[in-house]
Amino acid sequence: AQSVTQLDSHVSVSEGTPVLLRCNYSSSYSPSLFWYVQHPNKGLQLLLKYTSAATLVKGINGFEAEFKKSETSFHLTKPSAHMSDAAEYFCVVYNQGGKLIFGQGTELSVKP
Amino acid sequence: DTAVSQTPKYLVTQMGNDKSIKCEQNLGHDTMYWYKQDSKKFLKIMFSYNNKELIINETVPNRFSPKSPDKAHLNLHINSLELGDSAVYFCASSPLGGLAGVNNEQFFGPGTRLTVL
Repeated sequence: AQSVTQLDSHVSVSEGTPVLLRCNYSSSYSPSLFWYVQHPNKGLQLLLKYTSAATLVKGINGFEAEFKKSETSFHLTKPSAHMSDAAEYFCVVYNQGGKLIFGQGTELSVKP
Repeated sequence: DTAVSQTPKYLVTQMGNDKSIKCEQNLGHDTMYWYKQDSKKFLKIMFSYNNKELIINETVPNRFSPKSPDKAHLNLHINSLELGDSAVYFCASSPLGGLAGVNNEQFFGPGTRLTVL
């Protein structure tokens, strides 16, 4: 069965410093992986997706993620945090049953 | 233009009542979904419909009954509401579902916050 584990429930960074949100996946085949963002009291928005093309995936708002099969990881990064990046981030895998399986979420706080 | 809309945005009701949440998408997508987000922000799929047909039905109490009158609408009716039903319910849509939808982005509505007293 496919699953994802987000290694940090909460990450706090200062504005202008790098962001790293960690995600490990478990899958018996080449997975489709996504990062979604949820701003307070809003719906979810797709940041980026990996679908077995390039291992380094660029998304919106300066985010990117690298698929590393050897480490079963799909960490989300951004070189410089902005206050507007404060939100909940979800790592997601698409399973063979046609379902999105969500990680537990990582809350990103950005300090001025 | 709103892509996926839900009504109402907030719903406060007493235990034992019956309530409905409506969802509409204007993206022309074939597949629609209902998700439940609990108080710890964990998201789990409940149902999925492809062109008005049920294709995913998770282990959800049968007090929850989805209905899709056409492929642009997916409503959720909940009977005999319980305290544990309090959550945020999200509707979503994608061009395709099932294995064919593996690379598809799902577009989410703004959510309906249900509070059962």
